[in-house]
Amino acid sequence: EVQLVQSGAEMKKPGESLKISCKGSTYSFTNYWLGWVRQLPGKGLEWMGMIYPGDSDTRYSPSFEGQVTISADKSISTAYLQWSSLKASDTAMYYCARASRLTALGRDALDIWGQGTMVTVSS
Amino acid sequence: QSALTQPPSASGSPGQSVTISCTGTSTDVGGYNYVSWYQHHPGKAPKFLIYEVNKRPPGVPDRFSGSKSGNTASLTVSGLQAEDEADYYCCSYAGRNNLVFGGGTKLTVL
Repeated sequence: EVQLVQSGAEMKKPGESLKISCKGSTYSFTNYWLGWVRQLPGKGLEWMGMIYPGDSDTRYSPSFEGQVTISADKSISTAYLQWSSLKASDTAMYYCARASRLTALGRDALDIWGQGTMVTVSS
Repeated sequence: QSALTQPPSASGSPGQSVTISCTGTSTDVGGYNYVSWYQHHPGKAPKFLIYEVNKRPPGVPDRFSGSKSGNTASLTVSGLQAEDEADYYCCSYAGRNNLVFGGGTKLTVL
């Protein structure tokens, strides 16, 4: 079964750093764009950015450029989302999702989603 | 870019049809035929329902259908079932490898 398995919930203090992970299995990890999506408490989904693990080409939503870093280690089929200095406003559920290759563009629809990682930032 | 506009809520009785709209601009929904839709039951991972405006991935029932006119895309759920009660999100390609989601619509099956 194709799946993305994310790391567990995190509780951090403002100013701390954090790196959460998303491991792909049962598909060619390097050949699909992989994106990150934020869901603030009680709010909708927000596109953060995506990476192509094959060559680490990374694109960010203008809203998240400079706020987070997306990376991947293709040797272990794992993508990452990291913060250097967390804020309380980063408290949210974060999903990773694979871009579907059913589409002509190959990076506009998300077919496989991870289970989500809840990040709580509080003093 | 701004989020796409969806109605916050929609409802229908079992067996009925409901249509959820998703309004953007000429730089996203109106500019590309790359609109997708997702079903999200709280506490679960979102589920992929529709891509390229009106195509269904394997395994998605044909009760779910998509369309687009100008800057507005729509998702229609026919033959409503209790398990269709969920949040629904549209998403559009917005150029330069960016995507933009709608604010979400909570569908209630009465």
